[in-house]
Amino acid sequence: GENVEQHPSTLSVQEGDSAVIKCTYSDSASNYFPWYKQELGKGPQLIIDIRSNVGEKKDQRIAVTLNKTAKHFSLHITETQPEDSAVYFCAASIRTYKYIFGTGTRLKVLA
Amino acid sequence: DTEVTQTPKHLVMGMTNKKSLKCEQHMGHRAMYWYKQKAKKPPELMFVYSYEKLSINESVPSRFSPECPNSSLLNLHLHALQPEDSALYLCASSHLTGLTDTQYFGPGTRLTVL
Repeated sequence: GENVEQHPSTLSVQEGDSAVIKCTYSDSASNYFPWYKQELGKGPQLIIDIRSNVGEKKDQRIAVTLNKTAKHFSLHITETQPEDSAVYFCAASIRTYKYIFGTGTRLKVLA
Repeated sequence: DTEVTQTPKHLVMGMTNKKSLKCEQHMGHRAMYWYKQKAKKPPELMFVYSYEKLSINESVPSRFSPECPNSSLLNLHLHALQPEDSALYLCASSHLTGLTDTQYFGPGTRLTVL
């Protein structure tokens, strides 16, 4: 069945360092990959997304890469700041309405 | 503006109560969603409305009853809930462009069932 694996489940980095979160999806028909940041007590907030016809996308300190052959996509955060601390969810979608979410990564940025 | 609003922010109810959760968006999105999220887990899809019609019901128990009065509003009516229904209930919305659309989430309603 459709599945998205996300690693690591927790990640601690020093302020200013980079953080990388990786996801692997099972359905090769997946064509859209959003990343959400969820702070404590809040709803998920879209931070970046990528479609299957693009290999990389960057927005300031955040980038996402996609390897369709390996069915991997990754979130890269550079120059991390304490306010980057949150839970991050990846997702993959093969059709309208339906996202398959990863299990989440709790990122802690240590000041 | 990519804002989805939800009320109330917190709700505590007994197992015999009837309550409703409300969601609103003014982005012109024609798909609206209800998700349930337990602690430390990803959101789980419950219902999808497309053009105000129920498109997806992910085998949700009948004690949860969705309603879409118009293209901007989405309600979730709750009745005879169980303590295990305590969770964060998230509303989301998206355009319907024919491609896979970006879903924008609201802040959620934290529900506690006593």
